[in-house]
Amino acid sequence: RKEVEQDPGPFNVPEGATVAFNCTYSNSASQSFFWYRQDCRKEPKLLMSVYSSGNEDGRFTAQLNRASQYISLLIRDSKLSDSATYLCVVNSGYSTLTFGKGTMLLVSP
Amino acid sequence: SAVISQKPSRDICQRGTSLTIQCQVDSQVTMMFWYRQQPGQSLTLIATANQGSEATYESGFVIDKFPISRPNLTFSTLTVSNMSPEDSSIYLCSVAHEGNQPQHFGDGTRLSIL
Repeated sequence: RKEVEQDPGPFNVPEGATVAFNCTYSNSASQSFFWYRQDCRKEPKLLMSVYSSGNEDGRFTAQLNRASQYISLLIRDSKLSDSATYLCVVNSGYSTLTFGKGTMLLVSP
Repeated sequence: SAVISQKPSRDICQRGTSLTIQCQVDSQVTMMFWYRQQPGQSLTLIATANQGSEATYESGFVIDKFPISRPNLTFSTLTVSNMSPEDSSIYLCSVAHEGNQPQHFGDGTRLSIL
């Protein structure tokens, strides 16, 4: 089983749609969790950290289910500018980040 | 968050040569890391750059191939030695203030080996 697994997509959605990405991780000792966004030919940028209680930042909502080792990202009211690859990232040790391969999102007019 | 600058932003090199990539941060950071992202792949950690001591390499990466320096808390270099076409990749440095904190990335060095 891969350490961090994501559906590669692409997810093609129209503007204004709601889209959800899922991610599973294999290391039950993982301590912290993040979603990063990577635009084509750019570096990854932190989108949000993911907390056990769930957290929301504007149109973005992240959820963590430790029992199922599952992380989700929900994007509401999709914008064209949301088109990117979304990376699920897990910190399994003091400093070791493990990246999923990413889910590509394409938002069309 | 910290401003992270990488140089060069891109290069095309001949096989057998070596290239040193620099990562400069505008503030002191505890942790600095070097990653590789091959075409169509996600990021793979090469090593953790330790200030004042040898870097900690991940499985599959060795010091002879990827020597790393970190002379202070704001600067690190990664050298890709004796390059081959398989080393063509994006190399990224990242920083974090604490081990469990999110990392922030430089804008990467796009390396092509002929």
